[in-house]
Amino acid sequence: NAGVTQTPKFQVLKTGQSMTLQCAQDMNHEYMSWYRQDPGMGLRLIHYSVGAGITDQGEVPNGYNVSRSTTEDFPLRLLSAAPSQTSVYFCASRQGLGTDTQYFGPGTRLTVL
Amino acid sequence: SQQGEEDPQALSIQEGENATMNCSYKTSINNLQWYRQNSGRGLVHLILIRSNEREKHSGRLRVTLDTSKKSSSLLITASRAADTASYFCATDDNSGAGSYQLTFGKGTKLSVIP
Repeated sequence: NAGVTQTPKFQVLKTGQSMTLQCAQDMNHEYMSWYRQDPGMGLRLIHYSVGAGITDQGEVPNGYNVSRSTTEDFPLRLLSAAPSQTSVYFCASRQGLGTDTQYFGPGTRLTVL
Repeated sequence: SQQGEEDPQALSIQEGENATMNCSYKTSINNLQWYRQNSGRGLVHLILIRSNEREKHSGRLRVTLDTSKKSSSLLITASRAADTASYFCATDDNSGAGSYQLTFGKGTKLSVIP
């Protein structure tokens, strides 16, 4: 199993550009989520999904869209990039609620100029 | 908002010493998990302790949970240089049916000096 994969690993955008961060998992997990990690802030939840066709907002959803058309894929779209979105983005998945381990992807380091 | 807060923010010890990190949280929880992050990498799950458990061991790791004080500690015994990483606590809050979010603290950065 590849686990949770993310592409690209690095990206530089100009303010106002849009892009999609890709996330895929091959563990047939129902739950997937996107976090951003900023220095001194820990991880903050952007959006999450409890299954195909179902998404919901996390703590910091503004400026981001998600969709979940399949169990495997959970892309994160930046609609109009802003310097405040410069961060490291992590995708994660887990089978269910409660005591299930959350598996993280390797991250995408995004810089918005 | 951040649920867990780790303490200290940074910790530097000699190889072979024990490392203790603490986590405090605000609301009632179902369970608490500890994760490790090596520099430039994703987070890796270390150990989970349920709200009805008080202590749990896994290899050189020992986790305690005090729900009355809303706090947890992670002890790494006989530390190695390879333990150098950031450590995060995460809570699965008990806010109601369907609650999914794992809420992470800001982490403790551990440096183990050879």
